[in-house]
Amino acid sequence: GIQVEQSPPDLILQEGANSTLRCNFSDSVNNLQWFHQNPWGQLINLFYIPSGTKQNGRLSATTVATERYSLLYISSSQTTDSGVYFCAVDNYGQNFVFGPGTRLSVLP
Amino acid sequence: NAGVTQTPKFRVLKTGQSMTLLCAQDMNHEYMYWYRQDPGMGLRLIHYSVGEGTTAKGEVPDGYNVSRLKKQNFLLGLESAAPSQTSVYFCASTKARAATQYFGPGTRLLVL
Repeated sequence: GIQVEQSPPDLILQEGANSTLRCNFSDSVNNLQWFHQNPWGQLINLFYIPSGTKQNGRLSATTVATERYSLLYISSSQTTDSGVYFCAVDNYGQNFVFGPGTRLSVLP
Repeated sequence: NAGVTQTPKFRVLKTGQSMTLLCAQDMNHEYMYWYRQDPGMGLRLIHYSVGEGTTAKGEVPDGYNVSRLKKQNFLLGLESAAPSQTSVYFCASTKARAATQYFGPGTRLLVL
């Protein structure tokens, strides 16, 4: 089945810093989503982005489907951005597969 | 509009006991999913449904059964709970396969 890797596994930032999270996948996909799991365990969908670029406030994402990767950019990070960021992909009818996540800690 | 809700929020079971987790959505979504999340890991798909009356196996279906008798509800059953089923269970729904997934708040299950 499709493999999903995320990097870095852990990231510590000072408030106000920018960061880039990466998601690599091993096969073509028709669905790619970024999620944020906050420290209380709640999962929030950030982007549905199988290809192209989207922006939502301080967050933006780019997926280059032909090269099988996606990037999540967080600018001017805030303590409320802390948590785990997951990339998940759907491979044309196969299971929806989650990556292992990037744990982000934003320090005040 | 409550979105996706899950009951119960927390449950403790003894090995061999059975229970049912309920997921409900009020968005008229066709697709519904059950995942489990173990410590330090991403989510793994247990079962899913592409519409009322249908179910299909995901990545880790063993030890679980599901039913989708009504479009808005998706039930996950454990017939004989095992300690390996200690996990956090998330339900999700989406209007189509290639669309945004909306998650419930999770059910924390401890099997002793």
